[in-house]
Order: sequence, then structure tokens, then C-alpha cells
Amino acid sequence: GQNIDQPTEMTATEGAIVQINCTYQTSGFNGLFWYQQHAGEAPTFLSYNVLDGLEEKGRFSSFLSRSKGYSYLLLKELQMKDSASYLCAAFDSNYQLIWGAGTKLIIKP
Amino acid sequence: GAVVSQHPSRVICKSGTSVKIECRSLDFQATTMFWYRQFPKKSLMLMATSNEGSKATYEQGVEKDKFLINHASLTLSTLTVTSAHPEDSSFYICSAREGGGYNEQFFGPGTRLTVL
Repeated sequence: GQNIDQPTEMTATEGAIVQINCTYQTSGFNGLFWYQQHAGEAPTFLSYNVLDGLEEKGRFSSFLSRSKGYSYLLLKELQMKDSASYLCAAFDSNYQLIWGAGTKLIIKP
Repeated sequence: GAVVSQHPSRVICKSGTSVKIECRSLDFQATTMFWYRQFPKKSLMLMATSNEGSKATYEQGVEKDKFLINHASLTLSTLTVTSAHPEDSSFYICSAREGGGYNEQFFGPGTRLTVL
């Protein structure tokens, strides 16, 4: 079956760095997304990786290893507003999005 | 990025009534629209995929007669929850995509449905 695994919850300190991991098993693979979702709001797009390697976008970076079925989202210089859930989702061979359950990130002062 | 709107943002209704939720793409033509529901602290669950002018494709376990989806134009899709029950209370989110499957989905802000 198809599956996305990511930690349920993580805690980090303001100003620090945190890495949220995601592993995936899909029938075919056409790329991996990271979304941010604040409570009571819809997800907002953060990144899309389809090739191996690191994509950097400001304070956020996303990494993909297709051979390992693994991705991570790296958040630097954490701010209180980064407290949210972070959703990992993969495109399968039919370009259907397979969603992880999300990682709730708690930022402490 | 592209903008997708949803209306209403919140709705409270009595058990047994029907509720219609609209999803609009404001600055692009949404060839495909997706409807999701999300329970508290859970991930998004795809309910159905609709292509403009075609019948929606429902995911396994989703009752098509209960969740009516209409995608009559390239900018509008509607989800009607018929004979709503308290267990239908959830956060409903639509997303829209222009063109092929490799294109990004843009999400609407979501609709919080509470059935009393």
C-alpha cells in the first residue's frame, strides 16, 4: 500500500533549527511536497522536490533522496509564527497526492 | 500564486438539512478540482476529484449520493452535503489545478461545517 510517515509532534526553541523527516512508499513517484498548515486554516505550499538534493528557499529548505524514499524539511532561525503543522505529500504515478498525517511543530521562547 | 476561494468559511446547520460549499479559482482555469475533509489533528482525506464537465471520481468509502459534487465551469465547483448528520461535521477544503497532473494544487481557505 501507499504510505507517508512523519513524526506526530516536535518541539523546538525560537531561533534554533529543526528538521522534520518524512519517509514515503508510493506506487510510482512524481515528486514530494511540503505544506504548512496553521490551526483552522488550509495548507499553504512550501516546497516541491522531484530531483535528489537540497532546495533552499529563505529560512526553509527541503531535501529529497529518491533512492531512500526520504525527505526532510529544514527550518532555520525559528520564529514563533512557525508554530504549525507541516504536511508531507507525495505524487504517485497517477499524480495523485498521498498525504502524511502531519507533524505538529511547537516553538518555545 | 494562484488564488482559490471557498464560501462559506463557516456554516452551522441542523441535522437533516443540506449544505452547499462553493470553491472558485479566481485567476486561473481549474481543469481539475479536489475536495478534501480533515478531522481534528488528522491529515487531509481526499473525498473526490472532479474534472470540468465530467462526473466526479469518488474515493473508496465516500458516498457519492451524500456528497454531491458539481464542476460546471472552469472556475467553480460545488460540494453539497445532503441530509447532513453530526458525524459530517468537519473541515472541508477544496484545491484546484490548472492543466496536467504535474501542476501544483492551490488550496482554498476551507469551510468549517458544524451539524447540530
